Amino acid sequence: DIQMTQSPSTLSASIGDRVTITCRASQSISSWLAWYQQKAGKAPKLLIYKASSLESGVPSRFSGSGSGTEFTLTISSLQPDDFATYYCQQYNSYALTFGGGTKVEIK
Amino acid sequence: EVQLVESGGDLVQPGGSLRLSCAASGFIFSTYWMSWVRQAPGKGLEWVANIRQDGSAKNYVDSVKGRFTISRDNAKNSLYLQMNNLRVEDTAVYYCAGSRSNYQNFDSWGQGTLVTVSS
Repeated sequence: DIQMTQSPSTLSASIGDRVTITCRASQSISSWLAWYQQKAGKAPKLLIYKASSLESGVPSRFSGSGSGTEFTLTISSLQPDDFATYYCQQYNSYALTFGGGTKVEIK
Repeated sequence: EVQLVESGGDLVQPGGSLRLSCAASGFIFSTYWMSWVRQAPGKGLEWVANIRQDGSAKNYVDSVKGRFTISRDNAKNSLYLQMNNLRVEDTAVYYCAGSRSNYQNFDSWGQGTLVTVSS
């Protein structure tokens, strides 16, 4: 199975900060990568699909980039609603896998 | 509005069985790949199984193969997960998730149902 490694596991940031989260795949997944946001006690929400496509209704401060084995999720200016845990997910193979998550906390 | 509502979660003893259901509304269910994704308490997300729109293809994570069976009834707009020989490590919130395309990113999620396996 393809392993997905996210870094950092926890990130402390302030309102207005530019935040970058990295996701690495154990083998090439082309651009078959999604990013999700999950708040405590809630279901995940799709933010980005196909590495860089913004899901409808998601604020434009979220962006994704990368291909092959290395990907990033960037929040251009962190807002109060963005404090949450973020997960990457590959869908290049039938065995779908998620990264371990990155918790974005208030600094 | 797309809505997915899971039910069937419960406390069950190791070795026991449980059937989860997911009722879909607000979209054409028969056009969506559907999956079950779980999250153990305080842990990350783990994909469990998925099923093609017409039910002709099913895939499972290795840890549940031979124990869990995913199925769907398009006439009833419903997704199911039959879970047999449950283990303590199957304890988790189970989410029903849907993909509007043939690509397996999950654009729709239910609120989850809690399965607890304990003696």
